[in-house]
Amino acid sequence: SQELEQSPQSLIVQEGKNLTINCTSSKTLYGLYWYKQKYGEGLIFLMMLQKGGEEKSHEKITAKLDEKKQQSSLHITASQPSHAGIYLCGADWGGADGLTFGKGTHLIIQP
Amino acid sequence: NAGVTQTPKFQVLKTGQSMTLQCAQDMNHNSMYWYRQDPGMGLRLIYYSASEGTTDKGEVPNGYNVSRLNKREFSLRLESAAPSQTSVYFCASSQGGVQEKLFFGSGTQLSVL
Repeated sequence: SQELEQSPQSLIVQEGKNLTINCTSSKTLYGLYWYKQKYGEGLIFLMMLQKGGEEKSHEKITAKLDEKKQQSSLHITASQPSHAGIYLCGADWGGADGLTFGKGTHLIIQP
Repeated sequence: NAGVTQTPKFQVLKTGQSMTLQCAQDMNHNSMYWYRQDPGMGLRLIYYSASEGTTDKGEVPNGYNVSRLNKREFSLRLESAAPSQTSVYFCASSQGGVQEKLFFGSGTQLSVL
């Protein structure tokens, strides 16, 4: 079966520290999407990666897709309280049936 | 900028009752999706509609029906609600399928007692 594993499940980080969230696919990805969800709200698109080795950045968040297109990482530099929430990766495996999402990483930023 | 609008935001049902969750998008998107989000399970696809006039089952379709009323609207119906359907439901849309990013509504929190 197709699987998408996200780690860690939860993360508590002191404000100002860096952190990394990982997403691993059981098969080659057509695309990998990162979303953020604030508690009680919908998902907000962060970044989309499609090419092996691709790296994208937005403000203090950088996402990378490995050369084999089976693993992605999301890195936050100098974390801030506004970064708190649930981060989800979504996999496009080439079907028409929407993205398959990881179970999410709950990020808490401690002051 | 409405984007994807879901109604209602909250709903409590008794086992066996029926209800319809409404979703509308104003971005002229072709594809629409219904997901449910449960603790420890992440987001799971219930049904999707790749284009107006078509609907297909996702990962967890049992107990649900959908209607793509027109290009804008995609509704999700629970004919006989069960406690296992207690969840947060999200509607999403995209321009041309999953190769383009999904836009999500703010969710419907449903409790079935």
